[in-house]
Amino acid sequence: QKEVEQDPGPLSVPEGAIVSLNCTYSNSAFQYFMWYRQYSRKGPELLMYTYSSGNKEDGRFTAQVDKSSKYISLFIRDSQPSDSATYLCAMRTGGFKTIFGAGTRLFVKA
Amino acid sequence: EAGVTQFPSHSVIEKGQTVTLRCDPISGHDNLYWYRRVMGKEIKFLLHFVKESKQDESGMPNNRFLAERTGGTYSTLKVQPAELEDSGVYFCASSQDTAGGGTDTQYFGPGTRLTVL
Repeated sequence: QKEVEQDPGPLSVPEGAIVSLNCTYSNSAFQYFMWYRQYSRKGPELLMYTYSSGNKEDGRFTAQVDKSSKYISLFIRDSQPSDSATYLCAMRTGGFKTIFGAGTRLFVKA
Repeated sequence: EAGVTQFPSHSVIEKGQTVTLRCDPISGHDNLYWYRRVMGKEIKFLLHFVKESKQDESGMPNNRFLAERTGGTYSTLKVQPAELEDSGVYFCASSQDTAGGGTDTQYFGPGTRLTVL
């Protein structure tokens, strides 16, 4: 069983829609949760970071962590065509080693 | 500020040959990481340098892979001899040293796409 499970998609939505991306994990020692965005032929770029359970909001993006369910989510409001990318969830226990999900490909249609 | 750079962007080699990938981290970043994404799989951690010292190399697949970071600046990842299953995208990332690894922000390079025929 993978430590982090993420549906690879693709997920296609119309412009302006609310997008919900999520990951589940099995290692209860994970405490640091991240979402990366990766455009084609580029490296991953940190989008959101959350420590332990709770919500974090940054503009149109909201990250949620539910440690009791081992489930994390990223919501994108008012999605734009420029949001089309691969979104990767990632986690750490407390060290520097990052464990990634497989990534979800998102397409936002104009 | 220049980001993490990697060279080459693409490499196509025959099975059994040797390839060396290079990573130049962001200036002043003590931490340097190598990751790999094999087709259809998730990005996987290979190893972590702090300056020139290997802090964690638990993700290195086997002894055909050798990473170095002489002088604590740029790093190289050599694959010798290359096998078909080594094909994938190799990412380098760097970060500033922080009190705890969990909060460390890693900046990724664009990756080197390696194809072994």
